[in-house]
Amino acid sequence: EPEVTQTPSHQVTQMGQEVILRCVPISNHLYFYWYRQILGQKVEFLVSFYNNEISEKSEIFDDQFSVERPDGSNFTLKIRSTKLEDSAMYFCASPRNYSGNTIYFGEGSWLTVV
Amino acid sequence: AQSVAQPEDQVNVAEGNPLTVKCTYSVSGNPYLFWYVQYPNRGLQFLLKYITGDNLVKGSYGFEAEFNKSQTSFHLKKPSALVSDSALYFCAVRDMNRDDKIIFGKGTRLHILP
Repeated sequence: EPEVTQTPSHQVTQMGQEVILRCVPISNHLYFYWYRQILGQKVEFLVSFYNNEISEKSEIFDDQFSVERPDGSNFTLKIRSTKLEDSAMYFCASPRNYSGNTIYFGEGSWLTVV
Repeated sequence: AQSVAQPEDQVNVAEGNPLTVKCTYSVSGNPYLFWYVQYPNRGLQFLLKYITGDNLVKGSYGFEAEFNKSQTSFHLKKPSALVSDSALYFCAVRDMNRDDKIIFGKGTRLHILP
């Protein structure tokens, strides 16, 4: 059973549309991460989120991206106005517990922008 | 800032032969080191990690990796390759002193020849 569940598994959206990707951990995790992988390429860090705040973000994570924890369990990544180059696999990740040093990844959400 | 280098884009090994996938790292503090595997259209699956202690760590599916501090390396190994080991392998590092994000290498595609 995966540590982290992501939805949707695949989404196709038109350029300029807003997209929300969701992540749900099994247990009550405090740390979350979002990563992006453009088809078959390097896995790139987007943002880390600790205790309901962004703790670090990369250059990729510009103003069109945002993260939230709206209800204490779900963790979302929002892309406000999608571009063609946002097409990628987006992974949510989290350690198993507060002191966990292994970060476990979800199965990913494959976003296709057309 | 931490970084990971995987010098080989692809490694080809005959089934039954030993395999090695190379990884070197750079981190300012003490490293947590990881190997993840990605099968086609799947997420990142944790294989093994080095945190502290014995330099040779064993993980899933018969894989092992050796931490070498002087060479800043963490090569992935397996004594006898299986066709089912064919996948994309990512080495990753986390700065122990910063309790931080994981940074990935660019990945090495392992192709086991039957």
